[in-house]
This record gives sequence, C-alpha cells and structure tokens, in this order.
Amino acid sequence: GENVEQHPSTLSVQEGDSAVIKCTYSDSASNYFPWYKQELGKGPQLIIDIRSNVGEKKDQRIAVTLNKTAKHFSLHITETQPEDSAVYFCAAMGHAGKSTFGDGTTLTVKP
Amino acid sequence: EAGVAQSPRYKIIEKRQSVAFWCNPISGHATLYWYQQILGQGPKLLIQFQNNGVVDDSQLPKDRFSAERLKGVDSTLKIQPAKLEDSAVYLCASSLDPQGLTQMYFGPGTRLLVL
Repeated sequence: GENVEQHPSTLSVQEGDSAVIKCTYSDSASNYFPWYKQELGKGPQLIIDIRSNVGEKKDQRIAVTLNKTAKHFSLHITETQPEDSAVYFCAAMGHAGKSTFGDGTTLTVKP
Repeated sequence: EAGVAQSPRYKIIEKRQSVAFWCNPISGHATLYWYQQILGQGPKLLIQFQNNGVVDDSQLPKDRFSAERLKGVDSTLKIQPAKLEDSAVYLCASSLDPQGLTQMYFGPGTRLLVL
C-alpha cells in the first residue's frame, strides 16, 4: 500500500519567516495531494491541494509544489503569522479516493 | 453549509466495555470515512463507505470494530470490547465523490480514552 513520509516533525520559525514542509510518497498511482491544518481539538481542515497534472499551485501565502518523478511534494508558507501555528498533515490519494496521511508537522510561529 | 457532525465529543470507558460513535456527513456527500488518529500520528483510515456500501475496510480490526451506514447517510462506528490501545481521536469525514478526487471535510472528532 501507499506510504507517506513527512519531515520535519517539528518546525519553529520567527514571525514573518518562511516555513517549508516536505513529504514523499511511494505509490506512483497516487494522483491527488492535499494538505491539512489541524488546530487543537479540531478536525483537519484542507488548506491547499494539488493534482498530479500540475507542478505548482499558489493561494496567497501558501504554495504547494509536486515532483511526480521524484515522488515528493512540499508545502511553503511565506510571511508566517502566529495564527499559522498548528499541526500540518500531507496526504496522498490514489485508487478509489483512499488517502494515506503523513505523521504531521507541528509548526510554531514565534511572535 | 453545515459541516460534518460527530457525537459524542468525548468518551471515557474502561477496557472491555463497548462504545459507539455517530457521524452525520454533509448533505449530499456520497462518501463517508472513519479515521483513527492516535496522539502524535496522522489519521489512519478504518473504513470507507460509498453511499451505504463498503469500499475499503482493510484496516478495520473486524474482531472488535464494526461500522454501518444505514440509508447512505448517517454512520455509526462501534468498538466491542475496547482495549487500551484504542485510545485515540476518531474522525469522520465526507466527500462529494472520491472518484473525482474531491475535497474531504472532517468533523471535530470523538476523543476516546480507554482506562
């Protein structure tokens, strides 16, 4: 089955700096790659996603890049703010809509 | 639109007891998922329904876990008997159509503690 590895597990940045989280996946059939933000006591919420026919996607301060050849994708957050502090999960979705999640990155943005 | 609803939000039980969780997906969403999220880990799929049929239950511990989705809407997940290692957050999610790779919407989760 699919295996998703996510790094780093924790990330601390100063407000205004950029943050980058990387994920690798194993199943070349995976074709949809969402990123979720999870705040304490809440369910994961989609923040951005990318499909396999696209190499990069941007939404304001958030961007995702995908390298299908290397089977890795990354989340980039620019101009970080304290409210960006949360746990971020990557996922890879393949056959029949089954998603495999990474183990998460705890992002702390220091004011 | 209303989000995915789950109840209860918290549950504490002793090992070997039984427990049930309820999920009401977003109206019109054909696909419903149950995930288990152990502290410090990503969500792990337990079971996926499309309408009221099971698409994937390969990671559901069927000797103690069961789930149903009657009439293709609400769903219940049951654990009987519970073990200490079942302590986790149980997340329900729904999506409009998985074949179209549409967004999953998660509920707030049920936090289970087994003592």
